Amino acid sequence: DAGVTQSPTHLIKTRGQQVTLRCSPKSGHDTVSWYQQALGQGPQFIFQYYEEEERQRGNFPDRFSGHQFPNYSSELNVNALLLGDSALYLCASSLVAGGLRAHFGPGTRLTVT
Amino acid sequence: ELKVEQNPLFLSMQEGKNYTIYCNYSTTSDRLYWYRQDPGKSLESLFVLLSNGAVKQEGRLMASLDTKARLSTLHITAAVHDLSATYFCAVEVGTSGSRLTFGEGTQLTVNP
Repeated sequence: DAGVTQSPTHLIKTRGQQVTLRCSPKSGHDTVSWYQQALGQGPQFIFQYYEEEERQRGNFPDRFSGHQFPNYSSELNVNALLLGDSALYLCASSLVAGGLRAHFGPGTRLTVT
Repeated sequence: ELKVEQNPLFLSMQEGKNYTIYCNYSTTSDRLYWYRQDPGKSLESLFVLLSNGAVKQEGRLMASLDTKARLSTLHITAAVHDLSATYFCAVEVGTSGSRLTFGEGTQLTVNP
């Protein structure tokens, strides 16, 4: 039973560029949430997707956008990258209809230079 | 706005000693989680606490929840080096699978 997978593992981008991160949820899960974890801090909630729609959103600018596909996988897009966007981006999947805990993926380390 | 505070933020302890990490949160929660994170790695789920007075134990770690005080504790018994990691508590409000609000984390170092 595959857990949550994310790609790529590491990514280096330049300020002003755009980036797309990908997440495949754990088998049987239908909800995907994205978190940003800056170095030395706790993860911060970006947004959550369910039924291909953004259901909840944290305090992040519109430069952060996402998508969920019919197979429940998800993408996180960040436009006009800033140095402060450098972080570990974590994807978590869960099941709306039950299941107590979210399962986190291994993360994508984004470095903006 | 929900706030989650952990203390201490840094903890250095000797093997064999006991210690407690505290997690305070500012509003009523439905579920409280404890996670472990090793450097450069993702989050490993340790415990989920659902109700007042809940206590969960796994090995040398024991977590408890006091919803009236809005306080959870993670107690470490007879620490060993392998427990060195960063520990996060996270609060979930609403239906299962909702957003998690994390504390700042407690970086634990267990010295031989």
